[in-house]
Amino acid sequence: SQELEQSPQSLIVQEGKNLTINCTSSKTLYGLYWYKQKYGEGLIFLMMLQKGGEEKSHEKITAKLDEKKQQSSLHITASQPSHAGIYLCGDLTQGAQKLVFGQGTRLTINP
Amino acid sequence: KAGVTQTPRYLIKTRGQQVTLSCSPISGHRSVSWYQQTPGQGLQFLFEYFSETQRNKGNFPGRFSGRQFSNSRSEMNVSTLELGDSALYLCASSWGVNTEAFFGQGTRLTVV
Repeated sequence: SQELEQSPQSLIVQEGKNLTINCTSSKTLYGLYWYKQKYGEGLIFLMMLQKGGEEKSHEKITAKLDEKKQQSSLHITASQPSHAGIYLCGDLTQGAQKLVFGQGTRLTINP
Repeated sequence: KAGVTQTPRYLIKTRGQQVTLSCSPISGHRSVSWYQQTPGQGLQFLFEYFSETQRNKGNFPGRFSGRQFSNSRSEMNVSTLELGDSALYLCASSWGVNTEAFFGQGTRLTVV
């Protein structure tokens, strides 16, 4: 079965700094989703990537799917306290609206 | 446009009882998926419904069941609750396969 590995598991950065979170799959990624979650709350949809080499941006967050479609990265530029939370990557199961998730990356922003 | 609505937000139940959770998807979305989130296992897929039919099912015991109504609203039921069923239950709404999936705020279930 597919496994998604996120790195790092936790990250503490100073406000204003840039950061990157990685999501690596044991299989070819079919449809990669990035979400943000505040503790105990629902998942906020950030982006969905499907094509190798695809890159999408939303405000100061950019996500990219590598050409071989086995890794995605999420990059935050000039981090702010509002970026704090848990970031989750999820991949679609081919032919089904079913997501397999990584274990999450906990991001803390220090003022 | 209203988002995905889950009710109730919090529930406390006693072991052995049963519980029903509700999810109203985004208007026009016909796919509703359910996930369980626990600190130990992370986010795990329970099942997915599309046009009132269960299309996919995760690896959970038969105590976990669901259904979808003609208006796309979905319910999930857990019978004979166990302590280990304590979790955040999330539903996701999509237009169809391979499309963006939007989650609700979740229902926090505590079994005592």
